[in-house]
Amino acid sequence: SQQGEEDPQALSIQEGENATMNCSYKTSINNLQWYRQNSGRGLVHLILIRSNEREKHSGRLRVTLDTSKKSSSLLITASRAADTASYFCATVNTNDYKLSFGAGTTVTVRA
Amino acid sequence: DTGVSQDPRHKITKRGQNVTFRCDPISEHNRLYWYRQTLGQGPEFLTYFQNEAQLEKSRLLSDRFSAERPKGSFSTLEIQRTEQGDSAMYLCASSLEGSGQVYGYTFGSGTRLTVV
Repeated sequence: SQQGEEDPQALSIQEGENATMNCSYKTSINNLQWYRQNSGRGLVHLILIRSNEREKHSGRLRVTLDTSKKSSSLLITASRAADTASYFCATVNTNDYKLSFGAGTTVTVRA
Repeated sequence: DTGVSQDPRHKITKRGQNVTFRCDPISEHNRLYWYRQTLGQGPEFLTYFQNEAQLEKSRLLSDRFSAERPKGSFSTLEIQRTEQGDSAMYLCASSLEGSGQVYGYTFGSGTRLTVV
């Protein structure tokens, strides 16, 4: 069963615009991770945020975590065509080790 | 070391045949995971090894599925008597104990299985 749900399911934006996607989850977590997947390929780890952190930045990525609402958001600033991909949030539950993924958000960046 | 390698990249097989996939993790990683991903969905956990020990299997892993990790290095995932419902992308990931909670997991490019 999938732990998280991403919203929206799909997003289409113009190059240079920002893209925001949200993730909600159900159980207590140790950390939450975001991954990118290009069509037909494996997943690439983007960023990890621990349960005691509220915000984290990495290059053009900004992740927030609200454990009281059991939700996270991923913001990609100044999007590029190369950002076109599916983005997945994945949680690691407390006292666990495996990732539980949501269904993902498909982002299309138009040139 | 260039990351997690999976072989083959694609496999087309007839229903009822057996297939075996291989995963070579990052050499210093002692944890290895198998996930399955169907079209339009996120990956679902199948099984997990720490060194050579298989410590957890998902209920998704029916009796037709078996995974091994001899000597704690590469791993194989075998599916016997394949069914059309087995068609999916099979992903392997590895991590160093504890580091997955800091740096995330490294995934391979996956093996796409098509059962016809």
